[in-house]
Amino acid sequence: DIQMTQSPSSLSASVGDRVTITCRASQTISNYLNWYQQKPGKAPELLIYAASSLQSGVPSRFSGSGSGTDFTLTISSLQPEDFASYYCQQSHTTPPWTFGQGTKVEVK
Amino acid sequence: QVTLRESGPALVKPTQTLTLTCTFSGFSLSTSGMCVSWIRQPPGKALEWLALIDWDDSKYYSTSLKTRLTISKDTSKNQVVLTMTNMDPVDTATYYCARFYFGSGASRLFDYWGQGTLVTVSS
Repeated sequence: DIQMTQSPSSLSASVGDRVTITCRASQTISNYLNWYQQKPGKAPELLIYAASSLQSGVPSRFSGSGSGTDFTLTISSLQPEDFASYYCQQSHTTPPWTFGQGTKVEVK
Repeated sequence: QVTLRESGPALVKPTQTLTLTCTFSGFSLSTSGMCVSWIRQPPGKALEWLALIDWDDSKYYSTSLKTRLTISKDTSKNQVVLTMTNMDPVDTATYYCARFYFGSGASRLFDYWGQGTLVTVSS
């Protein structure tokens, strides 16, 4: 199975900060990489698909980049509603799909 | 409007079999590219993908759990059922069903999720 490793596992930031989360795949996955946001007690929501495509309705302060094994999710200016957990997920070839272990963005 | 809703027991005993049903609307599981998947999340932990069934009735399972899982669909009822045998307290988690869309290129994504159902395994 393809393993997904996120870093950091948590970070503290302030409103207005630029935040970067990385995700590394254990083997090349081209751009078959998605990012989700999850708030406490809620289901995850899709933010970015195909590594860099913004899901409809998602604010433009979210962006994704990368290809192969290394990927990045960037929040250009952190807003109060962005304090949440973020997960990467690979969908290369056929299942099994795998998620990263998550990154929790907390208030500094 | 696409919606998914999980249903099943909130409490199961160790060694029992868990049966969860995902009832969905707003799409057809017989349409090319449409899939339904199950994902779980133990309290305070990460998401774990479990199983997927696609429009062609192909089924895929987590490598570590495949001996315990069965996924099936009833297209006429718009339902997908997951069974997990030999439940253990470590299987305590919120279980989500989600639509997975096999789009063009790298557009393969979970775009709609149910609210999740918490299953506790305890005697």
